[in-house]
Amino acid sequence: KAGVTQTPRYLIKTRGQQVTLSCSPISGHRSVSWYQQTPGQGLQFLFEYFSETQRNKGNFPGRFSGRQFSNSRSEMNVSTLELGDSALYLCASSLVGQVNTGELFFGEGSRLTVL
Amino acid sequence: AQSVTQLGSHVSVSEGALVLLRCNYSSSVPPYLFWYVQYPNQGLQLLLKYTTGATLVKGINGFEAEFKKSETSFHLTKPSAHMSDAAEYFCAVIFSGGYQKVTFGTGTKLQVIP
Repeated sequence: KAGVTQTPRYLIKTRGQQVTLSCSPISGHRSVSWYQQTPGQGLQFLFEYFSETQRNKGNFPGRFSGRQFSNSRSEMNVSTLELGDSALYLCASSLVGQVNTGELFFGEGSRLTVL
Repeated sequence: AQSVTQLGSHVSVSEGALVLLRCNYSSSVPPYLFWYVQYPNQGLQLLLKYTTGATLVKGINGFEAEFKKSETSFHLTKPSAHMSDAAEYFCAVIFSGGYQKVTFGTGTKLQVIP
């Protein structure tokens, strides 16, 4: 069974640009969550999608957005990039429906550097 | 406010020594509890989880954790550290009502000294 796939793995952007990151969940997983990881702030929850609907959202500005497609693949977008957006962006999928599970399966992340 | 706290951002142990990584949460209702491990340049991997039932939970790679409701703790232990255990460890919680919203602790980097 293929794991969670994130693309691209590494990217460099300049301030003011925008970026789109992609995440393909494990087959059969319908929930996709996104996290931002930085040395100073740790793992910060961005948002979670289930069946193309955003169910939960963290405390990030509106420049951060996401969506989920009918095949459960998800994208997140960051517009008007700032230096502080440099981070590892992690996607995780889970098999929603088994309430007692709550286990997240993570991809290897997309490392964004903003210059 | 509901929160999860990991005591110690860096922990060093000698190879073969006991590993103890601490995690406390604040909530009046016992949450679901997890430990994840992250190796360099990789995503996170589940070590173990507690949802209901037995309070001593065994995970992969010889790790275990005990849920103590009275202490609101879920500390991670391993009797004998191995060099390959060097990684960052995250305690994570799903609070009641936070369906699928996982709150992570700030992480503890474990260094194993030969």
